[in-house]
Amino acid sequence: EDKVVQSPLSLVVHEGDTVTLNCSYEVTNFRSLLWYKQEKKAPTFLFMLTSSGIEKKSGRLSSILDKKELFSILNITATQTGDSAVYLCAVDAPPGGTSYGKLTFGQGTILTVHP
Amino acid sequence: DTGVSQNPRHKITKRGQNVTFRCDPISEHNRLYWYRQTLGQGPEFLTYFQNEAQLEKSRLLSDRFSAERPKGSFSTLEIQRTEQGDSAMYLCASSLGRGFYNSPLHFGNGTRLTVT
Repeated sequence: EDKVVQSPLSLVVHEGDTVTLNCSYEVTNFRSLLWYKQEKKAPTFLFMLTSSGIEKKSGRLSSILDKKELFSILNITATQTGDSAVYLCAVDAPPGGTSYGKLTFGQGTILTVHP
Repeated sequence: DTGVSQNPRHKITKRGQNVTFRCDPISEHNRLYWYRQTLGQGPEFLTYFQNEAQLEKSRLLSDRFSAERPKGSFSTLEIQRTEQGDSAMYLCASSLGRGFYNSPLHFGNGTRLTVT
């Protein structure tokens, strides 16, 4: 069975700190890894990673994938209180012979940023 | 707003009642998914539609659950004879798929179900 594990489960920092969130996975038929941010409502899409070693960046957020070691990290620099949320890692691993986006999610990391 | 829309936002029902939720995906997306999320957990896959065809159902989806997507547009998820264990956030998502390519899933704000 496909498995995605995130660490830490929760993290409390102060504004301006840099944080690193971890995601490891064990799946068959890996297609991509996705990061989402969830603030009480819909998970909102951050990144989709398909290739090892290529960093994706969006403002203060960046992410990279290691397909050999089966993990990904999400970095947030100069954190702000608005970054407080649950960060979800998901792996898109369509069952053999299919092509749809069957995501397996990790438990999430709860990030709290204090002023 | 052209995102994924779900109704109602909240539903409180008594055990044993039937409930129905609606999802309107992003208009050009041909793939639609239902997920369930309980407190402190990531979303879990329930079912998938490619256009109007339901192509995959999770083992989590008991016989009391049924989903439809008539005409390949909006979708409904019905739960019959609700149980307290059905209390959760029900999330709908959509994506654009062409062959093996699949765009990132975009999620709606969910319907929070409370069964008393």
